[in-house]
Amino acid sequence: GAVVSQHPSWVICKSGTSVKIECRSLDFQATTMFWYRQFPKQSLMLMATSNEGSKATYEQGVEKDKFLINHASLTLSTLTVTSAHPEDSSFYICSARAHRDRVPEQYFGPGTRLTVT
Amino acid sequence: KQEVTQIPAALSVPEGENLVLNCSFTDSAIYNLQWFRQDPGKGLTSLLLIQSSQREQTSGRLNASLDKSSGRSTLYIAASQPGDSATYLCAVNQAGTALIFGKGTTLSVSS
Repeated sequence: GAVVSQHPSWVICKSGTSVKIECRSLDFQATTMFWYRQFPKQSLMLMATSNEGSKATYEQGVEKDKFLINHASLTLSTLTVTSAHPEDSSFYICSARAHRDRVPEQYFGPGTRLTVT
Repeated sequence: KQEVTQIPAALSVPEGENLVLNCSFTDSAIYNLQWFRQDPGKGLTSLLLIQSSQREQTSGRLNASLDKSSGRSTLYIAASQPGDSATYLCAVNQAGTALIFGKGTTLSVSS
C-alpha cells in the first residue's frame, strides 16, 4: 500500500510554454501533498505544501505565480510550471501524507524530469 | 528551524567493507527519522524508518540508529557491494512540516 504515482516521468518542453505534472495517491487519501525540486547533485528542496481544497503554501523564494499547484481531490495534486525557462529544468518529486496516520508519514512519487530547451 | 547535515558528502570504499554514514539534526522534537536511497536520475527508495521512541532499526545488511537527544543518526552498511553505490539521504519528520532532508552522502563501492 501507500503508492504515489507521477505523470509524466519525463518531459521536454520549449522555453515559454507551460507544463503540468500530476501526482496521485493510488491507494490512500492524502489531505496533504508536497512538491519538492531537486537540481543535479543537490538534495530535495521543498517548494510548496498543498492541502486538499485550499491554497498551497509556498516556501520562501518559490514563485507562486510561476509554479501553480492545485489539490482538487484527496488523491490528486498538480504542479504547473508556467512560462518555463531553462533554469526550471530539474527533477520534481511529489509526496503525499497519508490521511489515516496518527504519526503522519510521507510517501514519494517516482519523480518527473523536466527539461526546458 | 530544523537543519539536517550529512557527513561525509561522498565516500568511496572497496567491496566488502563495512561503513557508516552520519546524519545530524538540530531540533530533537521529531516524530521519526528516515533513510532513503536514490540512484542517479531516479526517485527515492525508503530504506529504514526509526520512530522517535526507537533506538535502531535493521533491514538485511542495513542498520540505522537514532540518538534523538543528541540529534544524531547513523546508517551502518555491512559487507558493502557495488550495488550499494547510490546517494543516501537522511530526512526528519516533524509536526506541521514536510520531511526535511540532508544533502546526502554519495557512496561508491568498487569491485
